[in-house]
Amino acid sequence: QLLEQSPQFLSIQEGENLTVYCNSSSVFSSLQWYRQEPGEGPVLLIALYKAGELTSNGRLTAQFGITRKDSFLNISASIPSDVGIYFCAGSTIEAGKLIFGQGTTLQVKP
Amino acid sequence: SAVISQKPSRDICQRGTSLTIQCQVDSQVTMMFWYRQQPGQSLTLIATANQGSEATYESGFVIDKFPISRPNLTFSTLTVSNMSPEDSSIYLCSVETPSGQEDTQYFGPGTRLTVL
Repeated sequence: QLLEQSPQFLSIQEGENLTVYCNSSSVFSSLQWYRQEPGEGPVLLIALYKAGELTSNGRLTAQFGITRKDSFLNISASIPSDVGIYFCAGSTIEAGKLIFGQGTTLQVKP
Repeated sequence: SAVISQKPSRDICQRGTSLTIQCQVDSQVTMMFWYRQQPGQSLTLIATANQGSEATYESGFVIDKFPISRPNLTFSTLTVSNMSPEDSSIYLCSVETPSGQEDTQYFGPGTRLTVL
């Protein structure tokens, strides 16, 4: 089970929108998006549990794919405090544990 | 969600020594987890710690190197034994909260370990 994230690095201007993708060949029972700032632990942004589920949290929107093998996270109108590393993490029934993608590092230029 | 604290927040240790990391949660939880995050890398699960039973270790991690205690439903410790520079990482504990959805985990701030 491998979660592939893309892109691995993103540098954008303040105010721009961005999307991070997470894909796997495995089926996940749930999919979460986290953000980690330097010196901190990951903070849960959005959790997805149903196939096709679309959930928003302020300027963040995420969707769980119909096949439960993929997801995206969209951030609209980016601001400098959005910087950090964004991780997707999924759990499968077989594994019984949370598996993390390799992360997407976001820079936002003022 | 849950409020999770870890001690120490960071430490610099000499090779061959051991360090015990504490994780305290503000509510009772069944499942606690310990992760390692090597420099510039993602998170890797070390073990799952359930109260009243032995910790379950992931492939590549052994109890002699990473002994874990779980004396009650709000506290756990991870010891990094006989340290080498390769153990330099951030160590994170996380919990699944009883009121939350299954598989949703909340993380502590981490312990940044440097081994010289």
